[in-house]
Order: sequence, then structure tokens, then C-alpha cells
Amino acid sequence: ETGVTQTPRHLVMGMTNKKSLKCEQHLGHNAMYWYKQSAKKPLELMFVYSLEERVENNSVPSRFSPECPNSSHLFLHLHTLQPEDSALYLCASSQEEDTQYFGPGTRLTVL
Amino acid sequence: AQKVTQAQTEISVVEKEDVTLDCVYETRDTTYYLFWYKQPPSGELVFLIRRNSFDEQNEISGRYSWNFQKSTSSFNFTITASQVVDSAVYFCALSDPTSGTYKYIFGTGTRLKVLA
Repeated sequence: ETGVTQTPRHLVMGMTNKKSLKCEQHLGHNAMYWYKQSAKKPLELMFVYSLEERVENNSVPSRFSPECPNSSHLFLHLHTLQPEDSALYLCASSQEEDTQYFGPGTRLTVL
Repeated sequence: AQKVTQAQTEISVVEKEDVTLDCVYETRDTTYYLFWYKQPPSGELVFLIRRNSFDEQNEISGRYSWNFQKSTSSFNFTITASQVVDSAVYFCALSDPTSGTYKYIFGTGTRLKVLA
């Protein structure tokens, strides 16, 4: 299934680095999501975009900055992260509030 | 408040055994969706099923079956004749498609280990 792709699949970065995660959906959906999955914690919804406008921002620290240039692409810009930000970052897409389809995730390690 | 409880943290079975994963939900909404997702070691959440709150029919797909009971607020998932490839973390989720929030409420997941 290649409906939702994410790059890179793995990322190691220092606390002073700036990096970006990319998500692309090929399903013709109009909503996209970023989730964070840490060990032994429930999935956390970070951001939701509908028709390229942010509709949900769950008190995420400003060191995470999303960008949705069009309905097929979603970015998560990272800067000055902390070790506790190490996690699996999952992107998803949906048509309206219908079923969400997930990408393979980016496993991020912050040193 | 909405809530999804997956009380089974981890289950181990021997291949070919049947296994049921429990999901109990709480919501005051009359319209809602229930989902099951599978997360294999690779990390991707794979969509398995969506059930509408107005449709209590049970569903079978190959070795998978789902039992939705509104009376007990449960949406349980049974794998028949389990296989090693079924080893994964399984998540149950709840959403209100009319809320405008796009939020899913996920359970904490059940890790299934199928031993050869």
C-alpha cells in the first residue's frame, strides 16, 4: 500500500539541528494529520489540516512547525528538539472526517 | 467524555489458536465510528475495519471477525486460526464524524504475539 508515503523513514538529529519530515498522500483526500507515538504512550494527535487550513493544534511545542502547501503534501519542520521528542511520527490522510489512512512513519531520534 | 479501553496489554497465543481482542468504548454521541487498526513492527497503522454506530451487524473477513454490541459498548475483534504474521499491536479507535474536530480517540493497544 503506497497511499501515504513518508520521508525519511529514519532520522537522527542533534538538539541544535533543523530538519523536516515530509508526507505525501496519493488518495485524493482533503485532510491530513500528524501524530506522535512514543514508547508506552497512546497515539497523540499533533496537527490536523483540512483543505490546507489548520483545524487542530493540540498544544504542541513551537519547536514543531507544520506546513501544508496543498492537499497532497504535509511537512513537519523540526528545530531545537529535545531528547524526549524521540518517537515515531505518523502521517495520515482522510476524506473529510472519514477513515484515516496512515503512512509508514518516521522514526526520529534526538541526541 | 469519549474513551476507548483496551484492557489487554499483551496476549500470547500459539499458532492456529483463536484469539479475541477486547475493546470497550464510552461516548454520549449517537453517531460515531469505531475502528480497528493493526500496527506491525514496521510501524505503519494498517486500517482493518470501520463500523458505523447504526450498523450492529457483525462482520467477517477471512480469518478476522468483529462483534459490535451497543448494549455493552464493545467492539471486539477475533482472529481465527492465528498465524505468526498476525503478530502486531492492534488499536481500537472511536470518532464522531459530525464533530468537526477530525479527532480519533485511540485505545492504548493490545500487543499480540503469535508463537510458532
